[in-house]
Amino acid sequence: GENVEQHPSTLSVQEGDSAVIKCTYSDSASNYFPWYKQELGKGPQLIIDIRSNVGEKKDQRIAVTLNKTAKHFSLHITETQPEDSAVYFCARSGSARQLTFGSGTQLTVLP
Amino acid sequence: DVKVTQSSRYLVKRTGEKVFLECVQDMDHENMFWYRQDPGLGLRLIYFSYDVKMKEKGDIPEGYSVSREKKERFSLILESASTNQTSMYLCASTELGTGAEDTQYFGPGTRLTVL
Repeated sequence: GENVEQHPSTLSVQEGDSAVIKCTYSDSASNYFPWYKQELGKGPQLIIDIRSNVGEKKDQRIAVTLNKTAKHFSLHITETQPEDSAVYFCARSGSARQLTFGSGTQLTVLP
Repeated sequence: DVKVTQSSRYLVKRTGEKVFLECVQDMDHENMFWYRQDPGLGLRLIYFSYDVKMKEKGDIPEGYSVSREKKERFSLILESASTNQTSMYLCASTELGTGAEDTQYFGPGTRLTVL
């Protein structure tokens, strides 16, 4: 499938600060945009998703925004905590039942 | 809770060996997927299956094959392992529907090293 560009590749923030990870895509047919979190030694786990008919979605300290016109979507984590340290992957739906994942962001929350 | 298990956490093989990676899910999920994870490249889809004995190529199928004889089990086969197949391999499953818009449940991964 067509690539998803994810930035930054690494991100360090102080505990309590906010973290933002951004992804861009080119396939205008994409309608579903999930975010996965991968903790050390584990497989990725879905933390939030958004569909193309919605511009923003929140779940406690995490939120995702989608700009379909500009073809980008972002993950926002507020009041970061040490347990937020992980690798985060964005993804988009494509054709043929598959997701295309971004390259990942290693988030480190510094105490 | 959905559980996806993979047969090995770590595996070391030699070039040219035939390698089998096994994945089992316990929630009667229709779709199963094999990815490889490499630094800076994210997760890339190797193969997926939406039914028993059905398979479809993903983005990087070369050098791999798969087998799905039973609904709960999806095997990834490296016919003749090469050093460029050293990677983390992740299995995932989804309940139903298109698979693309359904939550993917991942196993813990198998780190394969080919010497």
